[in-house]
Amino acid sequence: AQKITQTQPGMFVQEKEAVTLDCTYDTSDPSYGLFWYKQPSSGEMIFLIYQGSYDQQNATEGRYSLNFQKARKSANLVISASQLGDSAMYFCAMRGGNTGFQKLVFGTGTRLLVSP
Amino acid sequence: SAVISQKPSRDICQRGTSLTIQCQVDSQVTMMFWYRQQPGQSLTLIATANQGSEATYESGFVIDKFPISRPNLTFSTLTVSNMSPEDSSIYLCSAQSGRGEFSYQETQYFGPGTRLLVL
Repeated sequence: AQKITQTQPGMFVQEKEAVTLDCTYDTSDPSYGLFWYKQPSSGEMIFLIYQGSYDQQNATEGRYSLNFQKARKSANLVISASQLGDSAMYFCAMRGGNTGFQKLVFGTGTRLLVSP
Repeated sequence: SAVISQKPSRDICQRGTSLTIQCQVDSQVTMMFWYRQQPGQSLTLIATANQGSEATYESGFVIDKFPISRPNLTFSTLTVSNMSPEDSSIYLCSAQSGRGEFSYQETQYFGPGTRLLVL
């Protein structure tokens, strides 16, 4: 069974500072994808960044980067230069396996609050 | 990326009634999904909406309570039947383009969600 763990229920950061949101995962599949989504108070789920298990480099998308440590089974999201609009819930998710469709499994989320 | 819209965006319903949520994708997609997010919780997959056949339900969800239709590759509906206050949640539609061997790489995109409050 696949499992995603986010141990930080809440994080606080000051505007313009960097913040790291933790995510660890557990899977026996050699092929898997890791995703981060942002959910503002409006409720929509916004895709942020993707990391594949075979990717040699850490994924980056603008101010978002993924610190992928495969041996440790961790995929932490780093947000640089935080903005007030980054205040939201952040979910780590994983899908594994290349033997047909596997559902996306979500962590419990981390609430990020960015203060002025 | 796919752009997904949902209707209604929110509703307040009386217990015992039913609500149908519509999901429209701006392009043809292979797979569509319905999720529930109870207050303060993470997302839980209700079912995979299959085009031209019955939906595939996850453990704990049944067709009588959550009937799903998917008449084509861009549209799906979820009905929440015989509602109770415990059904108060955000219901999210999601879609992805790929399936099969490399589907684990495919990004799932989500609609804006439908906030349901059952009194």
